[in-house]
Amino acid sequence: QVQLVQSGAEVKKPGASVKVSCRASGYSFTSYYIHWVRQAPGQGLDWMGMVDPSTGGTTSAQKFQGRVSMTRDTSTNIVSMELSSLRSEDTAVYYCARTVADGYNSGWFDPWGQGTLVTVSS
Amino acid sequence: QSVLTQPPSESGTPGQRVTISCSGSSSNIGSNYVYWYQQLPGTAPKVLIYRNNQRPSGVPDRFSGSKSGTSASLAISGLRSEDEADYYCAAWDDSLNGVLFGGGTKLTVI
Repeated sequence: QVQLVQSGAEVKKPGASVKVSCRASGYSFTSYYIHWVRQAPGQGLDWMGMVDPSTGGTTSAQKFQGRVSMTRDTSTNIVSMELSSLRSEDTAVYYCARTVADGYNSGWFDPWGQGTLVTVSS
Repeated sequence: QSVLTQPPSESGTPGQRVTISCSGSSSNIGSNYVYWYQQLPGTAPKVLIYRNNQRPSGVPDRFSGSKSGTSASLAISGLRSEDEADYYCAAWDDSLNGVLFGGGTKLTVI
């Protein structure tokens, strides 16, 4: 079945970087965009950006530009998201999610990964 | 602050019909599809409605979506205790070149 499996929880100090991976299976990896969405404790969903696995091209939300890097590896079907210069406000659950259809400008995500908790604390 | 505006909370009794609104602008809801997600505590969001008013297989027909101009709404009829969750609207924004989520609505079944 179509599945996204994310890497495990991370604890980082302020100023450090974190890399979260998302392994896709059960479908043609290069045919669907992968998006990253985060959710701070008790807060709503916040779109971070997306990767086109076929080209490696990325688009990120303005608030994360300069701090986020998204990459893909077509040999392992893994998409990764690295966030740098971490601060306490970056403490959140980070999700990867696959678009279903409607092109790159779609908010239709299914499935989602299980989420990765990133805690930023000194 | 989300550009897609939802009420922070709604409530209803079992069997009742409730509606959750989502207000946007011409660059998002006004020109792109709207999607609705349900998030149960401790789980990833699940799509309830796609392309404004379509239900994925497995989603009960108690859930329905609509869109008019720059606003959209999710209606839940025959409310059940298991519908108690957070609900989010989402749409692509042409100006921001990205996906916007509403702030979320916590639905309580009294």
